[in-house]
Amino acid sequence: AQKITQTQPGMFVQEKEAVTLDCTYDTSDPSYGLFWYKQPSSGEMIFLIYQGSYDQQNATEGRYSLNFQKARKSANLVISASQLGDSAMYFCAMRLTGGGNKLTFGTGTQLKVEL
Amino acid sequence: GAVVSQHPSWVICKSGTSVKIECRSLDFQATTMFWYRQFPKQSLMLMATSNEGSKATYEQGVEKDKFLINHASLTLSTLTVTSAHPEDSSFYICSASPPGGRETQYFGPGTRLLVL
Repeated sequence: AQKITQTQPGMFVQEKEAVTLDCTYDTSDPSYGLFWYKQPSSGEMIFLIYQGSYDQQNATEGRYSLNFQKARKSANLVISASQLGDSAMYFCAMRLTGGGNKLTFGTGTQLKVEL
Repeated sequence: GAVVSQHPSWVICKSGTSVKIECRSLDFQATTMFWYRQFPKQSLMLMATSNEGSKATYEQGVEKDKFLINHASLTLSTLTVTSAHPEDSSFYICSASPPGGRETQYFGPGTRLLVL
């Protein structure tokens, strides 16, 4: 069975600094997708970035980049130039190809951006 | 990105009553939608997969008779919490994927249910 692990329950970063949120995964399926979502206190889940297991390059979306290390089964999210509005809960998730598009979520990391 | 709406955003009800939550894909058709439950400070747990025109697929441990799911059209899925009890109080959130693309799931804004 697939599993997502986020070992950082909470992180602090100063405004304008970069921060890395860790995510490791476990699956024997060769084809999968990895996602990061942001959940502010309002509760909505905001899609940030996607990485496919066969993608050759690390995904980037604006200030978000995904440090995909397939051999280590890690998919860390890097947020550059942190902003106060980045304070939120961040979830890593995995979807198995052929798994009915179901997502398995990690336990999340609470990020707080400070002045 | 694609837009998914949920209604209501908040609901407070008495124990024993039933509550219906709607999930709509506003700008795309979704043959499959997903229902999640999230308790405070915890992760999202998949409850069931809602399939248009057929029965929902429930995850292990989720009571299908308690959490009724109907996916009557390509843009609407409903979750009915029957005979709600205080332990059903939670944040319920749905998601859907537009056809094609990278199958990114887009989430609704969620519904907070409080059962008194």
